[in-house]
Amino acid sequence: EDKVVQSPLSLVVHEGDTVTLNCSYEVTNFRSLLWYKQEKKAPTFLFMLTSSGIEKKSGRLSSILDKKELSSILNITATQTGDSAIYLCAITLIYGGSQGNLIFGKGTKLSVKP
Amino acid sequence: EPEVTQTPSHQVTQMGQEVILRCVPISNHLYFYWYRQILGQKVEFLVSFYNNEISEKSEIFDDQFSVERPDGSNFTLKIRSTKLEDSAMYFCASSETGGTGTGKNIQYFGAGTRLSVL
Repeated sequence: EDKVVQSPLSLVVHEGDTVTLNCSYEVTNFRSLLWYKQEKKAPTFLFMLTSSGIEKKSGRLSSILDKKELSSILNITATQTGDSAIYLCAITLIYGGSQGNLIFGKGTKLSVKP
Repeated sequence: EPEVTQTPSHQVTQMGQEVILRCVPISNHLYFYWYRQILGQKVEFLVSFYNNEISEKSEIFDDQFSVERPDGSNFTLKIRSTKLEDSAMYFCASSETGGTGTGKNIQYFGAGTRLSVL
């Protein structure tokens, strides 16, 4: 079963719009949640969230984790065509002291139209 | 800015052939990973590697797969006898630490090798 669920799966907006992407997870031994942006090929790191309620911000992008709701949101304000990409959410787990592989969701494909 | 480098960017092979996918992780990183993404599907974990041995592997990483760090810079994924279903994008990633090291356990990805098995 899917441990990480992202919604929506795809989204089309116009430049200047604000978007909110959702990620929910269903695990008991959660350690961290990461957001990546995938343009063309390589996923590029955006944020890592470990504590609930603390917003992380980078320019027009921000993200917050809600451990009670087992979810996170990624906000993008004043979208630009360069924001068009697939946004991936991934979690890591606590177990056995190992480094923890990333468990990905299916991604949200964002298309920003001029 | 340091980056993970993967070669080749595209590899075409015949079913049953062996392939080796190469990665050069970020130089001060100690933990290495392979993931794959079949077209239209999720990115899936294959294997992690630390201190010259496999730390974790998924069910996908069966006896047909192996990893190696042949020298101080390269990290390779070998598929011994490729199948059609091995066609996918293979991503290498590395991180400075594992475990709970804040910020230093972030995994950085290479641009991937697209493997096409005919």
